[in-house]
Amino acid sequence: AQTVTQSQPEMSVQEAETVTLSCTYDTSESDYYLFWYKQPPSRQMILVIRQEAYKQQNATENRFSVNFQKAAKSFSLKISDSQLGDAAMYFCAYIGTSGSRLTFGEGTQLTVNP
Amino acid sequence: GAGVSQSPSNKVTEKGKDVELRCDPISGHTALYWYRQSLGQGLEFLIYFQGNSAPDKSGLPSDRFSAERTGGSVSTLTIQRTQQEDSAVYLCASSFFGQVAVGGYTFGSGTRLTVV
Repeated sequence: AQTVTQSQPEMSVQEAETVTLSCTYDTSESDYYLFWYKQPPSRQMILVIRQEAYKQQNATENRFSVNFQKAAKSFSLKISDSQLGDAAMYFCAYIGTSGSRLTFGEGTQLTVNP
Repeated sequence: GAGVSQSPSNKVTEKGKDVELRCDPISGHTALYWYRQSLGQGLEFLIYFQGNSAPDKSGLPSDRFSAERTGGSVSTLTIQRTQQEDSAVYLCASSFFGQVAVGGYTFGSGTRLTVV
């Protein structure tokens, strides 16, 4: 079974600085998809970024980018120029090509200090 | 609808009572998921519905938990004889069939259940 691990329960960053959230996963599949979701205090889960395992190029979405290391099964999220609105719980998630549902990590609570 | 709607937003119930949580997915989304998020924990899969197929109930923690989906749209998660450990946020999500890998899920805002 696939597992997703986020080893940092909490992280903090100063406003305008850069922070990296870690995620590792375990799978025997060769093709799959990885996601980062943001959950602010409103509880509404928001898709931040998505990576296809067959693509070597790291995905980027404005200030958000990933460092995808397929051999190491690592999928970290980098947030540049952190803003107060980035404060939230961040979840890493996995789905195999033939899968029907996402498997989530435990989450990392990010605090942004002014 | 425009988004996934969950009700109630918050629910406080006494231990031993039954509760029903409702989820109204995005129109046209045939896949519907329930997850549980306990304090400080990740998202725990509960149940998955896809169209008229038999649901994947493999995540339901006990026989006190059940869910149904009527007419391929609205879903109700029922917890019987609630216990304090059932206190959590219950999240519902939906997607087009076979499109999760493409676009992930669309989530509702969840129901915070507190059992006292």
